[in-house]
Amino acid sequence: EVQLVESGGGSVQPGESLRLSCEASGFTFNIYWMYWVRQVPGNGLEWVSLINTDGSSTISADSVKGRLTISRDNAKNTLYLQMNSLRAEDTAVYYCVRGRGGSGRYYFDYWGQGTLVTVSS
Amino acid sequence: QSVLTQPPSVSGAPGQRVTISCTGSSSNIGAGNDVYWYQQLPGTAPKLLIYTNTNRPSGVPDRFSGSKSGTSASLAITGLQAEDEADYYCQSHDNSLSGYVVFGGGTKLTVL
Repeated sequence: EVQLVESGGGSVQPGESLRLSCEASGFTFNIYWMYWVRQVPGNGLEWVSLINTDGSSTISADSVKGRLTISRDNAKNTLYLQMNSLRAEDTAVYYCVRGRGGSGRYYFDYWGQGTLVTVSS
Repeated sequence: QSVLTQPPSVSGAPGQRVTISCTGSSSNIGAGNDVYWYQQLPGTAPKLLIYTNTNRPSGVPDRFSGSKSGTSASLAITGLQAEDEADYYCQSHDNSLSGYVVFGGGTKLTVL
């Protein structure tokens, strides 16, 4: 059974940092592109970052570029999101998501349960 | 403002048929990019409902169907059930945006 389990969320003040983790199981982690998708409570979905299978290529949304960094450790079957210089507008539930597809066109066939990040003074 | 436009809400009585539209442009759906649909039940993570315009993952009832034409796509739900009450999101790709992934703003389905 495919499982994606996020951890690391919490409440921080503006300007502080957090690192989210996503432990994957039930599938061959190192052959899938992985994503972080976030959702402001009560609002819609927003793609945050993507990473290819070996971690050599990443892309982030303009809204987080330079502050949120995606990475992965295939030996540990774990996806990460390093969140620096956090802002109030980063407050959201962050989902770890498995990508399916190819040629840069991916959809999301499995989602984690999400972890809430709250940025407030 | 989402790149893909969905109605904020739709409603229907049990047993009825409802449709949810997803309107894009020439740089995303109209460019030939596929459309995907997700269902988000209250308090849970989104779940893949339709992939590559018309396909249902294993376990999704055939009451759910997808279609795509031109710059738009639609999700149809027939034989509406109380358990279908949820938020529904469309997703595609946009050739003009890095990372490509774009979502609709979501549609709240209410079963009357």
